[in-house]
Amino acid sequence: DAGVTQSPTHLIKTRGQQVTLRCSPKSGHDTVSWYQQALGQGPQFIFQYYEEEERQRGNFPDRFSGHQFPNYSSELNVNALLLGDSALYLCASSRLYGGQETQYFGPGTRLLVL
Amino acid sequence: EDQVTQSPEALRLQEGESSSLNCSYTVSGLRGLFWYRQDPGKGPEFLFTLYSAGEEKEKERLKATLTKKESFLHITAPKPEDSATYLCAVQALRGNEKLTFGTGTRLTIIP
Repeated sequence: DAGVTQSPTHLIKTRGQQVTLRCSPKSGHDTVSWYQQALGQGPQFIFQYYEEEERQRGNFPDRFSGHQFPNYSSELNVNALLLGDSALYLCASSRLYGGQETQYFGPGTRLLVL
Repeated sequence: EDQVTQSPEALRLQEGESSSLNCSYTVSGLRGLFWYRQDPGKGPEFLFTLYSAGEEKEKERLKATLTKKESFLHITAPKPEDSATYLCAVQALRGNEKLTFGTGTRLTIIP
């Protein structure tokens, strides 16, 4: 059973550019959450998608947007990149109903903004 | 607002030396408290979910316990492969599925 997968593993961008990160959830899961983890910090919630809609959003600017596809996979888009956007971006999947709320994380995408 | 505080920030133990990590939390109604293990540069790996005060769960050398204000992760006779950062997170009852994380405890087990 494949776990949560993310691509790419690493990415280098320059300030002002745009980036798209991708996530495929664990088999049987229908909900995808995205987190940002700065070095030495715990993950910070960005937003969550369920049934192709943004269900919840953390304290992140509109430069951060997302999408969920009918197959439950998801994308995170960040526009007008800032140096401070450099971080590990984590995707987590879960099943919203049925007592499977535990979120399982992917390996992450390391983004470096120069 | 939900808050999670973990202590200590870092802990160095000799192989076989047992200890405990602390996670203090404030949340307006707890749905669940989660423990994850994270190796450098990798995503968090799920360990335990605790739902109510008094609950305990065990896995190999790890045991997690929960009270109304904090959780402990007890590590018994640790081995070098237990070295990692241990993250604690809470999920609130009020319809929020988001996880609120602490900053983690970086554990190093010295052979």
